[in-house]
Amino acid sequence: EADIYQTPRYLVIGTGKKITLECSQTMGHDKMYWYQQDPGMELHLIHYSYGVNSTEKGDLSSESTVSRIRTEHFPLTLESARPSHTSQYLCASSEPMGNEQFFGPGTRLTVL
Amino acid sequence: AQSVAQPEDQVNVAEGNPLTVKCTYSVSGNPYLFWYVQYPNRGLQFLLKYITGDNLVKGSYGFEAEFNKSQTSFHLKKPSALVSDSALYFCAVISDTGRRALTFGSGTRLQVQP
Repeated sequence: EADIYQTPRYLVIGTGKKITLECSQTMGHDKMYWYQQDPGMELHLIHYSYGVNSTEKGDLSSESTVSRIRTEHFPLTLESARPSHTSQYLCASSEPMGNEQFFGPGTRLTVL
Repeated sequence: AQSVAQPEDQVNVAEGNPLTVKCTYSVSGNPYLFWYVQYPNRGLQFLLKYITGDNLVKGSYGFEAEFNKSQTSFHLKKPSALVSDSALYFCAVISDTGRRALTFGSGTRLQVQP
């Protein structure tokens, strides 16, 4: 079992609220990622980080933002949630090139 | 650019029969290839990977995959399917030339009937 954690697991929130999805890993990995996945569908990379103070946008445009102040922590923030943000958000981390990505359990977000 | 194709949305197989889940890829440079499995309301679990060496890779839960460079394929196989193998399977690729993250296929739902 990989040591990568996401909280909350489920979140139902009203439109316009600010939310932060937490992701932490205890493996000391430099690389971390956020993916968005609609149920049973493909994963879309929305953010990634190569290390502390390094963040980049992924393939899918997202209104969310991320920060990487500590190696083990990679939170994702939505300043004003909308129903279109309803989805599952998966966090992952990896060792340098060639090694697998370890995934957290995901946060299922519903915006009413 | 890198991409992955999983041509089958769903694969149905009877318990005890062999299964194959197909994956083809496209990358610049040499590919690193992965298979993940996802159970309902869970994150992705790593099954196996191909980096270099033997084209037949063995992984978790009795799964294996064969790397075929000429056909740019990395099909997932298991000799004898279990009902508990029913899940969503994702193939993924990353190039050795420095792409930032894995690119995932669209997923294939495996349904194993008792």
